[in-house]
Amino acid sequence: DSGVTQTPKHLITATGQRVTLRCSPRSGDLSVYWYQQSLDQGLQFLIQYYNGEERAKGNILERFSAQQFPDLHSELNLSSLELGDSALYFCASSVGLASDTQYFGPGTRLTVL
Amino acid sequence: LAKTTQPISMDSYEGQEVNITCSHNNIATNDYITWYQQFPSQGPRFIIQGYKTKVTNEVASLFIPADRKSSTLSLPRVSLSDTAVYYCLVDAGDISTGNQFYFGTGTSLTVIP
Repeated sequence: DSGVTQTPKHLITATGQRVTLRCSPRSGDLSVYWYQQSLDQGLQFLIQYYNGEERAKGNILERFSAQQFPDLHSELNLSSLELGDSALYFCASSVGLASDTQYFGPGTRLTVL
Repeated sequence: LAKTTQPISMDSYEGQEVNITCSHNNIATNDYITWYQQFPSQGPRFIIQGYKTKVTNEVASLFIPADRKSSTLSLPRVSLSDTAVYYCLVDAGDISTGNQFYFGTGTSLTVIP
């Protein structure tokens, strides 16, 4: 158990809908990262937050957004969902910014029908 | 862009040493390399991290040559429970977008009795 929690574990929805994925980092960690894992794209970095502020952006679509709240939990919002958004979404956390070890949560499996 | 590639799969007998290489042709001096283990439908689990020469912990060693164009994860005396997918992750600094995180393509290791 990494100490990172994610909810829900599974999510099934329809195209065009909007969903919110939630992540609670390990106690004491200030950075939260979001990744998408799909069969064709592998593990892709989406976005990083540090202590409530966006720090780095990767391959995140404009239909996707995230935020980190004062209690340091984070939410990833996915809107106008397409079939291709079906994937595993992982959250990771680390103590600080660059070069700190990232610890991953169990993931949320999103299925878009 | 730190493109990272790995062999798709490897087989090994129990008790043997396994070396998995990740190629990353374009990383900066201070970019860290981290290795993760992933079982089906679980989040990546941290194995080891380093940015130069050799690092060893209780489960693995990480070798990074002077040119830093590759890194090698070494697993001593593998067991059946080491059957998993192994990923390298390059933590690359980027002045314009903040740190970027590039996962390798993953190596599926099968340990044979």
